[in-house]
Amino acid sequence: EVQLVQSGAEVKKPGESLKISCKGSGYSFSNYWIGWVRQMPGKGLESMGIIYPGDSESRYSPSFQGQVTISADKSISTAYLQWSSLKASDTAIYYCARRFSSTSYSEYWGQGTLVTVSS
Amino acid sequence: QSVLTQPPSVSAAPGQKVTISCSGSNSNIGNNYVSWYQQLPGTAPKLLIYDNNKRSSGIPDRFSGSKSGTSATLGITGLQTGDEADYYCEAWDSSLTARVFGGGTKVTVL
Repeated sequence: EVQLVQSGAEVKKPGESLKISCKGSGYSFSNYWIGWVRQMPGKGLESMGIIYPGDSESRYSPSFQGQVTISADKSISTAYLQWSSLKASDTAIYYCARRFSSTSYSEYWGQGTLVTVSS
Repeated sequence: QSVLTQPPSVSAAPGQKVTISCSGSNSNIGNNYVSWYQQLPGTAPKLLIYDNNKRSSGIPDRFSGSKSGTSATLGITGLQTGDEADYYCEAWDSSLTARVFGGGTKVTVL
């Protein structure tokens, strides 16, 4: 059974750094693109970017380029989303999802990680 | 402002049918496949429809998808209280080189 399990909720202050994770199991983690999706409070879904764990190639949606960093460690089947300096506007639920291909739909989703940024 | 446009809400009585529209352009829906997701309250999105009209594993045939030109439609027949959720369309956008979502449609069962 394919599973994506994300790290727990985080509460941070503006300016702090953060790295959240997404661990895949039940399939060959290296061979499928993993994407990250943001959902701000009461709002819709936004695609942030993707990574291919096999070679760590990452691609970012225009709105998120330079704002976050996506990485992966295939040896432990885990993808990451990180911020170097959080803002209050980064408060959201972040989902990881396995894509069928780099440009295609997301077949499997993690449970989501709530990130709260508040002073 | 979402790249794909959906109505904010639709509603119908149990057993009835609803349709949700998703409007885009030639850079997304017009030349690429559309997928649909269901997000029940407090849960992660779930893939319902991919490649315009193919149902994901385990999805009942009450859910259907179609596409014409730069618009797509999700249909739900035999509406049930368990169908109350937010529904999102999604497509690849060749100009943005990114997946783009609609703003979401809340389905209410009256």
